[in-house]
Amino acid sequence: DTEVTQTPKHLVMGMTNKKSLKCEQHMGHRAMYWYKQKAKKPPELMFVYSYEKLSINESVPSRFSPECPNSSLLNLHLHALQPEDSALYLCASSQDYSRGETQYFGPGTRLLVL
Amino acid sequence: LAKTTQPISMDSYEGQEVNITCSHNNIATNDYITWYQQFPSQGPRFIIQGYKTKVTNEVASLFIPADRKSSTLSLPRVSLSDTAVYYCLVRASTLTFGKGTMLLVSP
Repeated sequence: DTEVTQTPKHLVMGMTNKKSLKCEQHMGHRAMYWYKQKAKKPPELMFVYSYEKLSINESVPSRFSPECPNSSLLNLHLHALQPEDSALYLCASSQDYSRGETQYFGPGTRLLVL
Repeated sequence: LAKTTQPISMDSYEGQEVNITCSHNNIATNDYITWYQQFPSQGPRFIIQGYKTKVTNEVASLFIPADRKSSTLSLPRVSLSDTAVYYCLVRASTLTFGKGTMLLVSP
């Protein structure tokens, strides 16, 4: 199984809502990532978890809150988002967080903030 | 920081070989170079990875010169389904994708 799954596929939320994005992998990978991608732009790294601990936070606003409950699951909790946060949110995983890792990406969650 | 530079777009025809070059002047000694393919509204998909010289797999080849300041992704005999954005990724202090190359393959 070389698949990373993400739910939901689409999400519409208001600026006062609280929602969560979910990512799951069963490849035994120990590194998991969240990226944000705006239209016609490359993915931008948001967070990296390595062995269930937050290793990198790319100065992401606190309205985005990541969580790694176990080695297979990664969540992104959303609260008080702004319309400019509308984007494709991608999850990825890799064997570990090293220089030669290959990342496997999920299909993404398309988020629209109204 | 290793910054990558790629052509914004390329055009090709079915059956031709396509070469996409990525410049990464500040690559670190032990960084790998990885290429990904992305279709609209999908996550990037791994194509190939290399450290030096030449790497080949069933879908592509990757050429890396001795100074490692650039790399060239070679796609043999492209088809319409190869129309996508191609990213090169060099691991530096953070995982930064280049701006990508939009490849359009025409009949």
